[in-house]
Amino acid sequence: LAKTTQPISMDSYEGQEVNITCSHNNIATNDYITWYQQFPSQGPRFIIQGYKTKVTNEVASLFIPADRKSSTLSLPRVSLSDTAVYYCLVGSGTASKLTFGTGTRLQVTL
Amino acid sequence: NAGVTQTPKFRILKIGQSMTLQCTQDMNHNYMYWYRQDPGMGLKLIYYSVGAGITDKGEVPNGYNVSRSTTEDFPLRLELAAPSQTSVYFCASSYEQSVNYGYTFGSGTRLTVV
Repeated sequence: LAKTTQPISMDSYEGQEVNITCSHNNIATNDYITWYQQFPSQGPRFIIQGYKTKVTNEVASLFIPADRKSSTLSLPRVSLSDTAVYYCLVGSGTASKLTFGTGTRLQVTL
Repeated sequence: NAGVTQTPKFRILKIGQSMTLQCTQDMNHNYMYWYRQDPGMGLKLIYYSVGAGITDKGEVPNGYNVSRSTTEDFPLRLELAAPSQTSVYFCASSYEQSVNYGYTFGSGTRLTVV
């Protein structure tokens, strides 16, 4: 899987929009970009996946520029319950070895 | 719908003891995985299975064994527990073996070896 780089931690106030950027300079043509969310004492949870441009679901939006060397996870109007670690993964095909880095630890406060 | 269920949630082992971490899924997924997560770190793949009777090593398989006799169950065996195996263990499953499909994780087993 392509190597990814994310900020170690981010802080936000409740109600703000949070954008977490992931760099993946060596992304391959067939690679998809996937984000997982992990709450304390729980397993990671799939939140969004994309290939190019923009993807939106009920939880988040994923923005991918034309060169696909980075991606941005956008969380609209975060709440305290969005405090979690967010992982960016890049890969394709039969990648059985899904690699999780250390992720970005988001802390939301009042 | 239970998803992926792991038992036990917590366990303390003495050095040299053995135990089996249980994992079962009710989604009829062919692919199942075991990960470990050390404090403040990401997840590392221990073993995975692409179907009943088929297993393979991941990134950190030493000290562990697995079996897959049914589609639903994928137990992880620790034969001689060591302090280095103190970690949180997560089981996951997926419909396909591709990153294009989301993986469903269990809630984890927190293991301490003393």
